[in-house]
Amino acid sequence: DQQVKQNSPSLSVQEGRISILNCDYTNSMFDYFLWYKKYPAEGPTFLISISSIKDKNEDGRFTVFLNKSAKHLSLHIVPSQPGDSAVYFCAASEGFNKFYFGSGTKLNVKP
Amino acid sequence: KAGVTQTPRYLIKTRGQQVTLSCSPISGHRSVSWYQQTPGQGLQFLFEYFSETQRNKGNFPGRFSGRQFSNSRSEMNVSTLELGDSALYLCASSQGYTGELFFGEGSRLTVL
Repeated sequence: DQQVKQNSPSLSVQEGRISILNCDYTNSMFDYFLWYKKYPAEGPTFLISISSIKDKNEDGRFTVFLNKSAKHLSLHIVPSQPGDSAVYFCAASEGFNKFYFGSGTKLNVKP
Repeated sequence: KAGVTQTPRYLIKTRGQQVTLSCSPISGHRSVSWYQQTPGQGLQFLFEYFSETQRNKGNFPGRFSGRQFSNSRSEMNVSTLELGDSALYLCASSQGYTGELFFGEGSRLTVL
């Protein structure tokens, strides 16, 4: 039973435009959420986090939005760059660093 | 500051053997988690250690075990290897109760 879902396996965006990656979860006890970027043959790289007491968190070109009532999380990348092309994972936790990961969305940013 | 270091990076074993993987966390990080990544299942939580105590465990059989040492370094062991254990095993460290996980590059295990 997958508690965190990324329903879009892939996304293609033009350089300079906005990339929006989505994530849905089922467990209302999740209180901390993370986004990671992963290149082939490397470990995931932390991007941005948000706790359940917030609905938005920004870090440079990356913004994460949390809609608790809809149990929905999204990552916005503005503007998108070719170097952003990677697989993006969302993850959720209810504590003790036990995170549930989505299956990932492969982002392709076209020059 | 050095990142999370995992050894070995690649290994090949045969069914029935056992394997031990090692993880050195970022200096000062007391929490170490282990994840299994497979193409079909994505990243799945194995277990997490904090100050040498296992705080949480995922839904994996007892063949999968781990431990953490007083210097926060961690090892995981898989006994009686099966073909389905072929995967990328990722270790992640974190400073405390809950927070950002910093991953190593992983240990790629192939079971023949």
